[in-house]
Amino acid sequence: ELKVEQNPLFLSMQEGKNYTIYCNYSTTSDRLYWYRQDPGKSLESLFVLLSNGAVKQEGRLMASLDTKARLSTLHITAAVHDLSATYFCAVVIQGAQKLVFGQGTRLTINP
Amino acid sequence: NAGVMQNPRHLVRRRGQEARLRCSPMKGHSHVYWYRQLPEEGLKFMVYLQKENIIDESGMPKERFSAEFPKEGPSILRIQQVVRGDSAAYFCASSRSGLNEKLFFGSGTQLSVL
Repeated sequence: ELKVEQNPLFLSMQEGKNYTIYCNYSTTSDRLYWYRQDPGKSLESLFVLLSNGAVKQEGRLMASLDTKARLSTLHITAAVHDLSATYFCAVVIQGAQKLVFGQGTRLTINP
Repeated sequence: NAGVMQNPRHLVRRRGQEARLRCSPMKGHSHVYWYRQLPEEGLKFMVYLQKENIIDESGMPKERFSAEFPKEGPSILRIQQVVRGDSAAYFCASSRSGLNEKLFFGSGTQLSVL
């Protein structure tokens, strides 16, 4: 069974600082997604990572994928309050049509 | 394009009643997924449907839960004889051709069982 683990689960940081959220998964997969969820809202797709070494950047967020290590990172640069949300990684089970989600990382950015 | 539409947004049911959750996928999307989210947890896969077919229901509880995606109309997730443990947010997502393309999520239905 594919397991997806994120850490940290809770992260409180100051504006202007950098930090990284980690996503580990237990079996082979060829696709990984990052989503953002605001309280009471749906999920917003941030990145789709399709291959080993893939790196994608959007604004202050950058995601990378190492399929050999079964690890993805979401790096936040010079955080701003608007980035406060819960961030989920999700992995596609190879050969199946379902996403397995991590537990989520609740990010709070303080002024 | 209106996006993935779910209704109702909030649904309150008493124990033993039935809950019907509706999902209209984005225009042109024939693949629908249902996920459940408990408080402070990630989303858990329930079922994957294409028009008129259930492709994977490995995440569905064996009793009381059913899903359909008819040729015409929205996808329906039905929960019979609800219990307090069914209280959760239920999200629907759709895509044009499975997970090879981007998955778009609806706003969810928050089910509360009294």
